[in-house]
Order: sequence, then C-alpha cells, then structure tokens
Amino acid sequence: GNSVTQMEGPVTLSEEAFLTINCTYTATGYPSLFWYVQYPGEGLQLLLKATKADDKGSNKGFEATYRKETTSFHLEKGSVQVSDSAVYFCALQAGTALIFGKGTTLSVSS
Amino acid sequence: NAGVTQTPKFQVLKTGQSMTLQCAQDMNHEYMSWYRQDPGMGLRLIHYSVGAGITDQGEVPNGYNVSRSTTEDFPLRLLSAAPSQTSVYFCASSSSFGKLNTEAFFGQGTRLTVV
Repeated sequence: GNSVTQMEGPVTLSEEAFLTINCTYTATGYPSLFWYVQYPGEGLQLLLKATKADDKGSNKGFEATYRKETTSFHLEKGSVQVSDSAVYFCALQAGTALIFGKGTTLSVSS
Repeated sequence: NAGVTQTPKFQVLKTGQSMTLQCAQDMNHEYMSWYRQDPGMGLRLIHYSVGAGITDQGEVPNGYNVSRSTTEDFPLRLLSAAPSQTSVYFCASSSSFGKLNTEAFFGQGTRLTVV
C-alpha cells in the first residue's frame, strides 16, 4: 500500500542553521508529493509540492526534490529562522486522499 | 475570504454522548475530508466525499458518520463518544477529486476531549 515515513523529531536548531527533514515513501504508480506545515494552534497549510520525478518544489526558502530512484522527498532549508518553528508533514497523493507521515516538530532558538 | 471553517474549536463530551462537528467551505470545492490527528500518529483519514450525496470511508471510519447534502458542508457525527475518540479533528477541502497536484485547504481544527 501507500505510505510515508519521515524522520522522528523533535529537531532542535539554532537560528541560521541548516535544516534537513528526511521523507521516504512507498507508492504504486506515480504520486504527487507534498510538504505541509502546521504552526501552533493552526491547521495545516501547503508549503511546497512536486508532481513528477526530478521536480523541485520550493517556497519561503524551503526546497524538496522528488527522487524516484530513492523514493525520497527530503525537505531542506539553508538558514532557519525562529518563525520556522512548527510541525512539518510529508504527504503523498495517489488516488482518493492525501496520506501523511507522522510529522516532525522543528524548534528553532535564537 | 473564509476558506474552511470548523466549529466548535474545543469540545468536552462525556462517554456515550453524541455530537456533530461542523465543517463548511466557501471555495466551491468538490472534495472534502475529515482527519484526526493524534500524537505520534500523524493525520489519519476518517471519511471523505467527492461531491454532494457521495461519501466513502477512509482509514479509521469506525464510530463516525458523515453526510454531504450540499457542496459547502460536510459534518462529522459521533453517535456515542468514546475516550478513544479524544483527538484533534481537521476538515479539508480541495478543488479536484483524483487529480494530482491539487492543494488541500485545512480548517483550524476541533480539539475534542471525551471523558
């Protein structure tokens, strides 16, 4: 079946540090891949997406590349800010619904 | 621009009570869904709908009912609440069922506690 596995957190970084959150997936066919972010007390919102192999999604300094050969979609940011503190969810869409990973909590301190 | 609106934001129920979580969207989206979020479990799909009059089960449907009489509304009903249903519930909508590359819009969630 379809599934998403992402690294467990929490991830704790200092401001301006480099961020990587790993995400791998299992899917039949060719799913679209997403990163969603959840700020404290809010619902999820789309951060970035990619629909085919080698596509790179980017937004707000975050990037992720759809790697079919490694079935991965790792999230990266070169310099995190305190305002990036949130829970990040990797997700895939293959048919009727989004399938989410368990989420990774990021905490950035100044 | 309201987007997806969920009510209530917080609710405490006693075991065995019933209630309805409301979800409304003003974007004329075909597809709506309900998720529950539990610590260490991520988001799990409860029920979804691809249009008015059409609903189907997701990953964890037991104990929940849904209906879709209009495009805008997709209420989630708990007929007899149990402590295992203590969770944060999110409603989501998107414009195109089954089409890839479609962004889902989420409500702000309902935090439900069953005692």
